[in-house]
Amino acid sequence: QAVLTQPSSLSASPGASASLTCTLRSGINVGTYTIYWYQQKPGSPPQYLLRYKSDSDKQQDSGVPSRFSGSKDASANAGILLISGLQFEDEADYYCMIWHSSAVTFGGGTKLTVL
Amino acid sequence: EVQLVQSGADEKKAGESLKISCKGSGYIFSNYWIGWVRQLPGKGLEWMGIIYPDDSETKYSPSFQGQATMSVDKSISTAYLQWNSLKASDTAMYYCARVIGYFHLSSVGFDSWGQGTLVTVSS
Repeated sequence: QAVLTQPSSLSASPGASASLTCTLRSGINVGTYTIYWYQQKPGSPPQYLLRYKSDSDKQQDSGVPSRFSGSKDASANAGILLISGLQFEDEADYYCMIWHSSAVTFGGGTKLTVL
Repeated sequence: EVQLVQSGADEKKAGESLKISCKGSGYIFSNYWIGWVRQLPGKGLEWMGIIYPDDSETKYSPSFQGQATMSVDKSISTAYLQWNSLKASDTAMYYCARVIGYFHLSSVGFDSWGQGTLVTVSS
């Protein structure tokens, strides 16, 4: 079982909200980790969006709209990237990442389609 | 402004060697680990390893240990990734990225990324 699991795809309408999940493997407690989120558009490098550990320990990269926010669902052992007020320009691949067992681990990525 | 600028795309034949670069600016290069990430065509991100410019300490992903070698020249704020004998399966986009956070707090991640170097290896 992968350390981080993301749904491969998600579709949502402009103006709506999209909740992208990043589920940690059983036995790895989401509360312990800072989760990083990246956006990647075709032909471009990944772009750092934000990191989230808790409401008191989080950071949004400069220039990232406040429509993007992070949270956790402890009951689901998952990190969440919430994008509100979806815009066509938000269509992209989104990756989560953690530092676990002395290694960087990426989720498989979620392709977000805005239609 | 933090910037990482990578060397240009390269095409090689299987068995040849290659060294690609990543030059940092806008911050104290020696003070931040630099990571390398591979992205196969149409696929996700894979971590290869990280290197600390100040003393060249490295941490490799087990999947990439022995496959490619990271190095750094802190005098010119440049990190390198090299292969001694390329394979067709090394065809990919390679990104460097700056590491932020703290290992002991499991808060490590990447903030700034290079533009990527496309490596194409023909058999």
